[in-house]
Amino acid sequence: DVKVTQSSRYLVKRTGEKVFLECVQDMDHENMFWYRQDPGLGLRLIYFSYDVKMKEKGDIPEGYSVSREKKERFSLILESASTNQTSMYLCASSSGGRNQETQYFGPGTRLLVL
Amino acid sequence: AQTVTQSQPEMSVQEAETVTLSCTYDTSENNYYLFWYKQPPSRQMILVIRQEAYKQQNATENRFSVNFQKAAKSFSLKISDSQLGDTAMYFCAFMKHEGYQKVTFGIGTKLQVIP
Repeated sequence: DVKVTQSSRYLVKRTGEKVFLECVQDMDHENMFWYRQDPGLGLRLIYFSYDVKMKEKGDIPEGYSVSREKKERFSLILESASTNQTSMYLCASSSGGRNQETQYFGPGTRLLVL
Repeated sequence: AQTVTQSQPEMSVQEAETVTLSCTYDTSENNYYLFWYKQPPSRQMILVIRQEAYKQQNATENRFSVNFQKAAKSFSLKISDSQLGDTAMYFCAFMKHEGYQKVTFGIGTKLQVIP
C-alpha cells in the first residue's frame, strides 16, 4: 500500500512565525503536491514537484514556498504565517508513469494561525 | 484553464438506497482523466473511481459507477446500495492527459447516509 505521511495532524502557530509542514511518501513517486482545503473552496493547489529539486507553482503560491531535496520528502514552508493561512493542508503523491495518474493523499495537517 | 463544478453542497440518502452526485467541467482538451475522490470524516482522501475521456464505456467499481457524457461535459457518480461508510465528502476532479498531472478539484459534495 502507498503510504503518505504528514508530520503533524494539528498545528498552532503565531502570526509571523515560520512554519514547516513535512510530507513523506514511501512509494518512490516522482510527483508530489501540496493543497489547501477550505470549506466551500475545495482543494486548491499551492505547489507541486515532479522531480527532486524541481518545483512548479500551483494556483495559490503566494505566501508559500517548497523544498524537495529528496525524492520521498516534500516540504511546505510558510515564511511568515498569517491568519488567512489557517486551513487544512493536504499532501499528495503520484507516479509519473503512464496510467499512474492516481494521487495518494496524506491525512492532512490542520493549521491554526493566531 | 479547466473548471470543475459540483452544484450540490450537501446531500443525504437512506441506507440501501441509490444516490447520484453531479459534476460538470469545462475544458478545451480532448483527452483527459476524470476522478471521484472520497474524504471520510477525519480520514484520508482516497480514489473512488476514474474515467479516461477517450473511453466511451462508463467506469464501474463495485457499488460505484459513473455516467460520463463527454459532449455535455458531465461526470456524475452513482452510489448503489448506500452504506453508512459512504458518509463522506466527495470531490470530482479533472486532469489533462499530458503534463505534470496537475489536478483541478471541485468544491465537494457532503454526503450523509442515514440509517
